[in-house]
Amino acid sequence: QVQLVQSGAEVKKPGASVKVSCKASGYTFTSYGISWVRQAPGQGLEWMGWISAYNGNTNYAQKLQGRVTMTTDTSTSTAYMELRSLRSDDTAVYYCARRGGILTGYAFDYWGQGTLVTVSS
Amino acid sequence: DIQMTQSPSSVSASVGDRVTITCRASQGISSWLAWYQQKPGKAPKLLIYAASSLQSGVPSRFSGSGSGTDFTLTISSLQPEDFATYYCQQANSFPRTFGGGTKVEIK
Repeated sequence: QVQLVQSGAEVKKPGASVKVSCKASGYTFTSYGISWVRQAPGQGLEWMGWISAYNGNTNYAQKLQGRVTMTTDTSTSTAYMELRSLRSDDTAVYYCARRGGILTGYAFDYWGQGTLVTVSS
Repeated sequence: DIQMTQSPSSVSASVGDRVTITCRASQGISSWLAWYQQKPGKAPKLLIYAASSLQSGVPSRFSGSGSGTDFTLTISSLQPEDFATYYCQQANSFPRTFGGGTKVEIK
């Protein structure tokens, strides 16, 4: 069965960087893209960006441009999201999600369990 | 960017009630609309894709409708496990955007 397993919680100081991993299994990794979505405490869902696991093409949310980098390692079926110059308002749970194909309307059909990133001095 | 507006932001309902949540897009998105359910401390779960298609394994009491700019998620007979927050999301274009969420609470 399809699974996305994310790395563990992180605590970072303002100005630092964090890199979250998302290991996929149960499907052909390069056949689907991965999106990253975050959720600040008590808030809604915020789309951060998308990466094609096929060719590495990316599309980032404008507000994060210059601070976020999404990559994949096809040899290990793992996606990564790095966020730099962390601020307190980056404190959130970060999710990876598989972007389904046209047969599921390009919706996010499988999600990782989430990774809490806390930014605090 | 396409803005997604959900209403209401919260609804109180009883088991067995019919619940309807609406989602409006700031511009036409054809049928590229998904609905998710999220319970506290859990990742969102896909319920409906392409506006009206039920994801595999999702109970048939959930249904979606609409196209263009106006969409609806309906729970025909609310069950105890349905108390959660629901989000719509447009899959028409980048950047992907979500509605603000609708919390379904016990009356």
